[in-house]
Parts: sequence; structure tokens; C-alpha cells
Amino acid sequence: SAVISQKPSRDICQRGTSLTIQCQVDSQVTMMFWYRQQPGQSLTLIATANQGSEATYESGFVIDKFPISRPNLTFSTLTVSNMSPEDSSIYLCSVVAQDNSNYGYTFGSGTRLTVV
Amino acid sequence: RKEVEQDPGPFNVPEGATVAFNCTYSNSASQSFFWYRQDCRKEPKLLMSVYSSGNEDGRFTAQLNRASQYISLLIRDSKLSDSATYLCVFDTGRRALTFGSGTRLQVQP
Repeated sequence: SAVISQKPSRDICQRGTSLTIQCQVDSQVTMMFWYRQQPGQSLTLIATANQGSEATYESGFVIDKFPISRPNLTFSTLTVSNMSPEDSSIYLCSVVAQDNSNYGYTFGSGTRLTVV
Repeated sequence: RKEVEQDPGPFNVPEGATVAFNCTYSNSASQSFFWYRQDCRKEPKLLMSVYSSGNEDGRFTAQLNRASQYISLLIRDSKLSDSATYLCVFDTGRRALTFGSGTRLQVQP
């Protein structure tokens, strides 16, 4: 399966600032996903990032707040903009790698964000 | 009705016990089903896919009941290392996952 390097692993940020999270994959993948896991909750999909097109955002998430880049098939960034304490969460990227008819999802190790 | 419903637990069981979790889903378009495991402060990791015919991987057995829209996970001979949160996950075909809130398992010596 694919190996994902995600950074930073954690950060403490001031409200009103922005943080960019990076994910680097060791193989080319078509689809990359960004999730958020709020404290004590499960994962919620933020958006799907495909190379060469605009990201597709889920209900409740907007591009101005969470701009995403996908410059090539191995890399993506998620920016959390104009942060507030409510943005304190773990953010994870994920890829799906297909092998014949089977596919599996791999996650980055996550970015633990605390906004103060 | 929530898209995915899981009993949050915790399930506290002794080593060697058999424990089962269920998960119900509301979206009949769901196509693929998985159980993921998440350890504290770690990312989710795939435990096993769930097939209509049921599938087994060592001590773990997964079942899917499309008619009743639920999946299950059975763990036999529980080990201390099985302590984790187990997430019910499905894909409606968009290749993006929907996660349940997880069931916490604590295996005790």
C-alpha cells in the first residue's frame, strides 16, 4: 500500500492565522482526501482533491476556509485559514490505491492542530 | 437517522473473550464496507474489508447484511493488543469514506 508522509505532525497556532498541511505520497495516486477528526469524534471528509481540477468540498466546508492544492499526483496541501479555536482538530490526508479490482485506503499520520 | 450508527462502548472484556460489534448504515447505495482500527492518537488503519459472503482473517470475522443494512465484526480470543477504537466505514462509490463514530474496546488482563 502507499506510504504517506504528512507534516507538520502538530502545531499550536494563534487565532486569525493560517496553517498549511502537506502530504507527500510515495507513489502516484489519482485521488487524495482530506479529513478532520474533532476531539472525541470520528472522521469527517472535508474535500476530495484530484490532480488538475478543483477540489470537491463536502457540505459545511468551503474553499475560502480550506483551500487545497494538488499540483501533481504525489502531493497535496490543505490550508486552514483564519483559524479559530473551533478549528482545533486532527487533520488527516488519505489516498486510495487500486490494485486490480481491490482498493484500499491509507492515511497519513495526522496533524494535531491547536488554536489558541 | 445518522448515516452510520455504532455503539460507542466501551466494551470491557477479559483476555480470551469473544466480542462482537455491530454497525448500521442508512445509505442503501453503500457499496464497499470496511472495519478500521484506530489506536489512541494514531491514524486509522484498515483492519479488514467486509464482503457479502462474510470473511475471516485469523481471529477476526466480518459479516455484511445488506437487507438489514448492518455490518458486524467478531473478535475471538481477545488480546490486550486488541484494545483500540473500531470504526465502521463505508464507501458509496465516490471513493470517499464515511466513518462511524467508533466502538471502543478495552481488553483487560
